[in-house]
Amino acid sequence: DAKTTQPPSMDCAEGRAANLPCNHSTISGNEYVYWYRQIHSQGPQYIIHGLKNNETNEMASLIITEDRKSSTLILPHATLRDTAVYYCIVRVDGNTGKLIFGQGTTLQVKP
Amino acid sequence: DTGVSQDPRHKITKRGQNVTFRCDPISEHNRLYWYRQTLGQGPEFLTYFQNEAQLEKSRLLSDRFSAERPKGSFSTLEIQRTEQGDSAMYLCASGRQGSYAEAFFGQGTRLTVV
Repeated sequence: DAKTTQPPSMDCAEGRAANLPCNHSTISGNEYVYWYRQIHSQGPQYIIHGLKNNETNEMASLIITEDRKSSTLILPHATLRDTAVYYCIVRVDGNTGKLIFGQGTTLQVKP
Repeated sequence: DTGVSQDPRHKITKRGQNVTFRCDPISEHNRLYWYRQTLGQGPEFLTYFQNEAQLEKSRLLSDRFSAERPKGSFSTLEIQRTEQGDSAMYLCASGRQGSYAEAFFGQGTRLTVV
């Protein structure tokens, strides 16, 4: 079972920041939060992951609350190419690396 | 291109036929995963290899499914006696050993059973 809750869909205006929320209230102390996205008819693409500190890379920023029960993925300047399904995943098994996907959030970036 | 490669990209087969898919992982990755994705759903874990050893299989992987990774490099997923319910996208991913290393996915093989 997925251990995360995400809104099913969100809209964002092109050029604006997209803020995608994720609840993971049952997260354990050693479980990381991962974000992947899937553009239509393609395989999932890794975006970012974090444990407790905020993280930033060339694609996005990940903000994790102090209690680690929720996080937000931020795409600072969304483009039409960022339209995709975004999955927030709490790593179930750190030893195997397998991922348990939920339903994700469909982000529609509009011109 | 040094990403994960899957072949074929699309496969249409008649019910009852056998099909085999191939996955070539990123060369330095010793972990390889297979997932299945049906329309409107997130990917579901099927099985996982570390080098040539198959270390975990999901209950979704019925006895009609078999996966191999004979030399710890490429992997194959075979479905015997296909059923219409097997129609899905089959995704392969690879990653480095290390508990929290990220996995990289291929483009998938879309199977349609008619």
